[in-house]
Amino acid sequence: DAGVTQSPTHLIKTRGQQVTLRCSPKSGHDTVSWYQQALGQGPQFIFQYYEEEERQRGNFPDRFSGHQFPNYSSELNVNALLLGDSALYLCASSFGAYGGSYGYTFGSGTRLTVV
Amino acid sequence: DQQVKQNSPSLSVQEGRISILNCDYTNSMFDYFLWYKKYPAEGPTFLISISSIKDKNEDGRFTVFLNKSAKHLSLHIVPSQPGDSAVYFCAASFTGNQFYFGTGTSLTVIP
Repeated sequence: DAGVTQSPTHLIKTRGQQVTLRCSPKSGHDTVSWYQQALGQGPQFIFQYYEEEERQRGNFPDRFSGHQFPNYSSELNVNALLLGDSALYLCASSFGAYGGSYGYTFGSGTRLTVV
Repeated sequence: DQQVKQNSPSLSVQEGRISILNCDYTNSMFDYFLWYKKYPAEGPTFLISISSIKDKNEDGRFTVFLNKSAKHLSLHIVPSQPGDSAVYFCAASFTGNQFYFGTGTSLTVIP
């Protein structure tokens, strides 16, 4: 049973460019959350998608946007990249918001480097 | 503002002994707490959870304790094994949608 799949695993972009990260949730999960993990920090919530709509959003600017498709997969888009956007981007899937007693299932992340 | 804090960046423990990882939070509205374990080059893996209506939850070698009056959470691993060496994150939520994570504690279990 495949877990959460994220692509690409690594990415290097130039400041000002735009990037799209992709996530396929674990089979049976319907909710996708995106987190940003800067070096030496814990993951920070970006937003959560359920039924193709953004259900909740963390403290991130509008440059960060997302989408969820009918098959529950999701994309994270970041426009006008800044050096400070360099981080590990984690996708987490769950059945419902909490994921019940089992929490989220995380993917291995996409390492984004902005130069 | 860091609402969930793990003040010990690292911890070393002998194999077979107890590992105690600590976590403090500031928001008394948090009602659900989780611990995740992370190996290098992998995403965090769910370990154990506890809701605010309990003060203890046990799963095999792992026990989480919640002290709501102190706003303190701890994870006990007994006995510690070399395979437990990883970074441990605590996370808390009060909305059911958004989790706030600590900065992690790197545990090293020495054989």
